[in-house]
Amino acid sequence: EVQLVESGGGLVQPGGSLRVSCAASGFTLSSYWMSWVRQAPGKGLEWVANINQDGREKHYVDSVKGRFTISRDNAKNSLYLQMNSLRAEDTAVYYCASELRLWGFFGMDVWGQGTTVTVSS
Amino acid sequence: DIQLTHSPSFLSASVGDRVTITCRASQGISSYLAWYQQKPGKAPKLLIYAASTLQSGVPSRFSGSGSGTEFTLTISSLQPEDFATYYCQQLNSYPLTFGGGTKVEIK
Repeated sequence: EVQLVESGGGLVQPGGSLRVSCAASGFTLSSYWMSWVRQAPGKGLEWVANINQDGREKHYVDSVKGRFTISRDNAKNSLYLQMNSLRAEDTAVYYCASELRLWGFFGMDVWGQGTTVTVSS
Repeated sequence: DIQLTHSPSFLSASVGDRVTITCRASQGISSYLAWYQQKPGKAPKLLIYAASTLQSGVPSRFSGSGSGTEFTLTISSLQPEDFATYYCQQLNSYPLTFGGGTKVEIK
């Protein structure tokens, strides 16, 4: 079964750091672009960052640039999001997702169940 | 950044109804639009990509159309399991953006 499982969420103080992880099973992560998408409590979806297959190309939403870093370890079939200088507005469920890229970029077709990050003192 | 606007943001409908949701982009995005369904406490599920291509395993009562700046998601006959929130997403340019969502509730 194709599956993505996030971990590492928790409660962190403003200004603190946290790394969330995403482990893939049933498919080879190294073949796919991967994204992180978040959802604040009661709010809509927000794309956060993505990374290409070899980790050399990365993109971020402006609100996290310079604070968050997306990375991957293909040998471990895993994706990561290092979050520094966390703010209350970063409180959200964080989902990892694989990207559907055929002749173009078409969406995110496999999603994890999400991990909750709460930034509060 | 490309903004996506859903219309309506909320709708109340009955089982068997035909439902249409519109997503408007602030600038042209060709056909680089996806639709997702999300139920409470669950991850989003990809329904439609490239504006009109049904993702594998998605019931044929779902369909998508449009290009450029105006797109629609149609559910031909609403089923009990379709009550959820629907989001559009543009994949034409970074940053990738989602619309604010349309919540479909039972009348």
